[in-house]
Amino acid sequence: ELVMTQSPATLSVSPGERVTLSCRASQGVGSNLAWYQQKPGQAPRLLIHGASTRAIGIPARFSGSGSGREFTLTISSLQSEDSAVYYCQQYNNWQGTFGQGTKVEIK
Amino acid sequence: EVHLVESGGGLVQPGGSLRLSCAASGFTFSSSEMNWVRQAPGKGLEWVSHITSGDTRTYADSVKGRFTISRDNVKNSLYLQMNSLTADDTAVYYCARDLGGSEQLVSDYWGQGTLVTVSS
Repeated sequence: ELVMTQSPATLSVSPGERVTLSCRASQGVGSNLAWYQQKPGQAPRLLIHGASTRAIGIPARFSGSGSGREFTLTISSLQSEDSAVYYCQQYNNWQGTFGQGTKVEIK
Repeated sequence: EVHLVESGGGLVQPGGSLRLSCAASGFTFSSSEMNWVRQAPGKGLEWVSHITSGDTRTYADSVKGRFTISRDNVKNSLYLQMNSLTADDTAVYYCARDLGGSEQLVSDYWGQGTLVTVSS
């Protein structure tokens, strides 16, 4: 079973700071990795696919990197509206496994 | 503008059945691949099922044999027939459009979700 592990579970950051979220796969998934943002009471929003390709309309402050088993989502300068839970998802196999999420809070 | 609206959620007893619907607009539904993704209360996301434009269907192991995904390209609608429901199926169910191609199972547009509660 392919497991996606995100760290940290929660992050408290001041506006304007750089944020780095991690996602690790229990086995290699190539570049078949997506990131989503979910705010309370809302549906998820696709941020990144193909490990590093920003989805349509996503601000340039969001970037993704990595391949194989280790992936990173970076927010270059945190804005107040970026407070949310962030999920990674692998789609290298037909289970489409999500990580458990990282909650980003604004200090 | 892409618009997805789920319906059909509600309270159902363990062992019961429910059929979810998703009305799609703002894109060419017939040529689009689609997903169902669910989220248990206070928990993370779980991919449930995928259907291609050619009607090929794939399921998560947790629902295989109990859930059936289908589509009606005339009505621009996606469905999820859920049978033999258990408490573990309690969740908000999202309909989502799939990126398709080499990015299958990636969802770029999502509905607002419909809540399914399995309880006696």
